[in-house]
Amino acid sequence: AQSVAQPEDQVNVAEGNPLTVKCTYSVSGNPYLFWYVQYPNRGLQFLLKYITGDNLVKGSYGFEAEFNKSQTSFHLKKPSALVSDSALYFCAVRDSSYNTDKLIFGTGTRLQVFP
Amino acid sequence: DAGITQSPRHKVTETGTPVTLRCHQTENHRYMYWYRQDPGHGLRLIHYSYGVKDTDKGEVSDGYSVSRSKTEDFLLTLESATSSQTSVYFCAISESGGEQYFGPGTRLTVT
Repeated sequence: AQSVAQPEDQVNVAEGNPLTVKCTYSVSGNPYLFWYVQYPNRGLQFLLKYITGDNLVKGSYGFEAEFNKSQTSFHLKKPSALVSDSALYFCAVRDSSYNTDKLIFGTGTRLQVFP
Repeated sequence: DAGITQSPRHKVTETGTPVTLRCHQTENHRYMYWYRQDPGHGLRLIHYSYGVKDTDKGEVSDGYSVSRSKTEDFLLTLESATSSQTSVYFCAISESGGEQYFGPGTRLTVT
């Protein structure tokens, strides 16, 4: 079965420090991986995706993610956190069992950046 | 929000009443989706559409139906609302192989 896991419900980091939000996946075939962010009372916003190519993917708002095939991980990173980065983050993988664009989402990780 | 609107944005209804939520896009994207978001569950797919009049079930489709008579509109109907359907509902759109874009959400409360 295809799945995505976000092992941390919450991540706390001080402003200016680097941050990492973890994601691991399980799919058959080559994975299409995504990160989304959700601010309070808003819909999800697309941050970045990995389909093929360079294992380090750069996205919006200074975020990047590293694809690691051997560890089946796709961790979200940012070199220097901002208080405004505080939000709910979702990792997702495309469901490869159908010829659609269906995504399987993780349960989300709440990022709290303290001043 | 990428040319996606949802209506209504908030609704309170009573158990047993029918409810219809509307998603409207101006992007002419082929795929449309309905999700529900609940604490501890992330986003779960209810139904999706891969073209006009072409729809299929997601992982939590019981108690829900959908219709898509035009490219731009995707309707979600709760035939007889129950308290377990209290949730935040999101519509999303995508083109083949691409990322999904989400609407602003509808907060539904069933009393």
